[in-house]
Amino acid sequence: IAGITQAPTSQILAAGRRMTLRCTQDMRHNAMYWYRQDLGLGLRLIHYSNTAGTTGKGEVPDGYSVSRANTDDFPLTLASAVPSQTSVYFCASSLGQGNTGELFFGEGSRLTVL
Amino acid sequence: GQNIDQPTEMTATEGAIVQINCTYQTSGFNGLFWYQQHAGEAPTFLSYNVLDGLEEKGRFSSFLSRSKGYSYLLLKELQMKDSASYLCAVMDSNYQLIWGAGTKLIIKP
Repeated sequence: IAGITQAPTSQILAAGRRMTLRCTQDMRHNAMYWYRQDLGLGLRLIHYSNTAGTTGKGEVPDGYSVSRANTDDFPLTLASAVPSQTSVYFCASSLGQGNTGELFFGEGSRLTVL
Repeated sequence: GQNIDQPTEMTATEGAIVQINCTYQTSGFNGLFWYQQHAGEAPTFLSYNVLDGLEEKGRFSSFLSRSKGYSYLLLKELQMKDSASYLCAVMDSNYQLIWGAGTKLIIKP
């Protein structure tokens, strides 16, 4: 099935632990993004990648890192989780930066840090 | 700073029409998007406006006025399945999307 797959869909994590959220797309989109969504706030961009091999910082990058070794995969890592990182995380892709078409979103990963 | 404003919540009746407004102040403008997000699900694309005027797509229409920094999403013949949050987002001069907090639309029978 074409689209974006995120894993895990839900996770409870102890503070201080390392966690990687996985994201894979099979649409051959150049650009990929990680957002977090918190109640009462708009989607906030954490990191993005315009093409394989490049990454950039978004609005709220602190405490997160990403890599883009190939076109399909864009994992997000929390090196040492803190309770303020409790959120729903969405991975998304688009044909390219500045592309005026739509973003395609994964189903989200709900992360709770205790 | 950059800002997107939309109402937090709206209520409408099945079969009726509802208009969800969005005002924005951004560094440059490269288009405005509307997304629909059902509770617990991912956002899905509804519309894109880059020129002034009305874009119609079935029961949904989206309007843009760049001079006023204003857009609205018009939903006609409301159905219960239209109960969702509607997200307004503007692409700025750096081609980054700035998102509003979303408008939760409640449809009553």
